[in-house]
Amino acid sequence: AQSVSQHNHHVILSEAASLELGCNYSYGGTVNLFWYVQYPGQHLQLLLKYFSGDPLVKGIKGFEAEFIKSKFSFNLRKPSVQWSDTAEYFCAVISYNTDKLIFGTGTRLQVFP
Amino acid sequence: GAVVSQHPSRVICKSGTSVKIECRSLDFQATTMFWYRQFPKQSLMLMATSNEGSKATYEQGVEKDKFLINHASLTLSTLTVTSAHPEDSSFYICSAKREGNTEAFFGQGTRLTVV
Repeated sequence: AQSVSQHNHHVILSEAASLELGCNYSYGGTVNLFWYVQYPGQHLQLLLKYFSGDPLVKGIKGFEAEFIKSKFSFNLRKPSVQWSDTAEYFCAVISYNTDKLIFGTGTRLQVFP
Repeated sequence: GAVVSQHPSRVICKSGTSVKIECRSLDFQATTMFWYRQFPKQSLMLMATSNEGSKATYEQGVEKDKFLINHASLTLSTLTVTSAHPEDSSFYICSAKREGNTEAFFGQGTRLTVV
């Protein structure tokens, strides 16, 4: 069955630290990959997406992610986090075959000034 | 980006009653809509996927007779929680996408409280 794993459940960083959140998926077919962010009290917003082409994708607010097909991974990165990045981050995958958008368990990021 | 509107944002209902939640794509035709449930501090659990004009596909463990989903038009899908119980209290989120290889857009969610 299609599944998405996020291994970092809770990450605590100081401002200016670098961030990398892991995401692995199980489905072997062609997939589209997403990272969403949910700020406290707000609904989901798209950070970035990968459909095809350059496996290194850049999103909003300085975030980027790299699709490594051989590792079934789509890790999210940011070189220098800010306090305003405190939020819940969700990796999501949709496969061409099932057309289901499945979410990972989420990673709670706390950034302290 | 495209806009998905979900209504109501909050609803409180008595145990045993039914509640309908609407999800509308305001500026695009949504051939596929997803319904999720999110428990506090947890991820989004996919409940069902619906395609316009056809029956919804429910995930394992989701009672189709309790969570009725209708996707009668390309801009509207509804989720009806029938005979609601306190354990149905949760945050329900809908998502909509166009046909083909595109991203999904999310509604603002509905906080359901069953008392």
